[in-house]
Amino acid sequence: SYVLTQPPSVSVAPGKTARITCGGNSIGSKSVHWYQQKPGQAPVLAIYYDRERPSGIPERVSGSNSGNTATLTISRVEAGDEADYYCQVWDSSSDHYVFGTGTKVTVL
Amino acid sequence: EVQLVESGGGLVKPGGSLRLSCAASGFPFSAYTMNWVRQAPGKGLEWVSSISDSSTYIYYVDSVKGRFTISIDDAKNSLFLQMNSLRADDTAVYFCARTGSISCYACHFDYWGLGTPVIVSS
Repeated sequence: SYVLTQPPSVSVAPGKTARITCGGNSIGSKSVHWYQQKPGQAPVLAIYYDRERPSGIPERVSGSNSGNTATLTISRVEAGDEADYYCQVWDSSSDHYVFGTGTKVTVL
Repeated sequence: EVQLVESGGGLVKPGGSLRLSCAASGFPFSAYTMNWVRQAPGKGLEWVSSISDSSTYIYYVDSVKGRFTISIDDAKNSLFLQMNSLRADDTAVYFCARTGSISCYACHFDYWGLGTPVIVSS
């Protein structure tokens, strides 16, 4: 089955840039979606189709995808960005959705 | 405004059954693929099942195949998950989520409910 691997945690100072990776075999050939989840809340779509931003998501949140790694980048990090982040793809070989292992972003 | 409201969770003994419901409003329910995603306590998100518009396509994660059944009632704008032969490792918050494009069964999830907790314990 298809596996998506994320770092368990990323720490970043306010105003700096956080980069969250999502590794998968030839993930660059798939569409990657990203979700933000704060404690006790439902996930919120942050990026879809690798780099598209839903309405309400600030421009400092961006995505990229190439080769075996997709990346969610949060620029000018704020305290409100502290959350868990998950990548997601559709695996057409198994007809399954797959979520990444999740990354906890801590703002120092 | 799109709204998804789950219900039906609770405490059930191993081997028991539960039926989860998700009431949808604010969009043409019959045109969208709908999904269930769960999250065990302290763990990550796990996709459970998807059902396309008109129930043309239905998919399950391997661990629930043969035990869970997803269905829709377009007249009631509702999504369901019948869960049988429940096990301790099914304990989780179950979220209902809408797929982000009409008639797309492999797209992102753009709206989520708040979730309903399922606890499987003797």
